[in-house]
Amino acid sequence: AQKITQTQPGMFVQEKEAVTLDCTYDTSDQSYGLFWYKQPSSGEMIFLIYQGSYDEQNATEGRYSLNFQKARKSANLVISASQLGDSAMYFCAMSRSNDYKLSFGAGTTVTVRA
Amino acid sequence: DAMVIQNPRYQVTQFGKPVTLSCSQTLNHNVMYWYQQKSSQAPKLLFHYYDKDFNNEADTPDNFQSRRPNTSFCFLDIRSPGLGDAAMYLCATSYPGAANEKLFFGSGTQLSVL
Repeated sequence: AQKITQTQPGMFVQEKEAVTLDCTYDTSDQSYGLFWYKQPSSGEMIFLIYQGSYDEQNATEGRYSLNFQKARKSANLVISASQLGDSAMYFCAMSRSNDYKLSFGAGTTVTVRA
Repeated sequence: DAMVIQNPRYQVTQFGKPVTLSCSQTLNHNVMYWYQQKSSQAPKLLFHYYDKDFNNEADTPDNFQSRRPNTSFCFLDIRSPGLGDAAMYLCATSYPGAANEKLFFGSGTQLSVL
C-alpha cells in the first residue's frame, strides 16, 4: 500500500520569499508518479507539477520546483517568490504505474503575508 | 474553457432525502472519478469509471452510487444522506497513457445535509 506524508499542517511565508513544503512517500513500486496540487478556498484542485520516478531531472514549472530525492523517498515542493495568491492548501499525491488513481497526503495550508 | 464542470456548486439536502450530483467533461477522457473531501482533509476516492467499467473502492459505503451514461457525464447518487456525508465532492478525469496522467478536477460541489 502507498502512503503519502505531509508533516506540516500549516505554514506562514512572507510575500516574495520562498517556501518549501515537505512530502515523503512510502512505496515498494519502482515506477510511480508524484504530483502537487493547489486547492484555494474556492475548492478547485489545480495541478501544479509532476515528477516521474524515473525522471533524473527535478521538475520545474514557473515558480514551482520539485526537489525529488528518490533514495529518501521525498518530493518537496518549492514555491519561489511567494505571492498573496499562493495562499491555499497544497496536496502531495502519488500514482502507481499500473494504477492511475491518485492517493493524497493530508495537505499543508500556506498563508502568504504581505 | 471549463473542462470539468460540476453542478450545482452548492447543494443542500435533508437527512435521508436522495440527492444527485452531476459532472460533465469536454476532454473526452476515459476515466472519471468521484472524490469526497471533508473539511481540511485529503480527498478520498469513492469510485471511478474506466470507460463503462465501474470500480468501487473497498471502503465506499453502499449509500453512494454512480452512473455514467456516456463519456461526457457522470453522476454521484447518495441514496440516504446522513449528517456525516456533508462534504465537498470533487469530480475528476484523466487519460491513462498521457505523459503524466494528471487528474483534471472540477470546482466541486459542496453538499450540506440538514
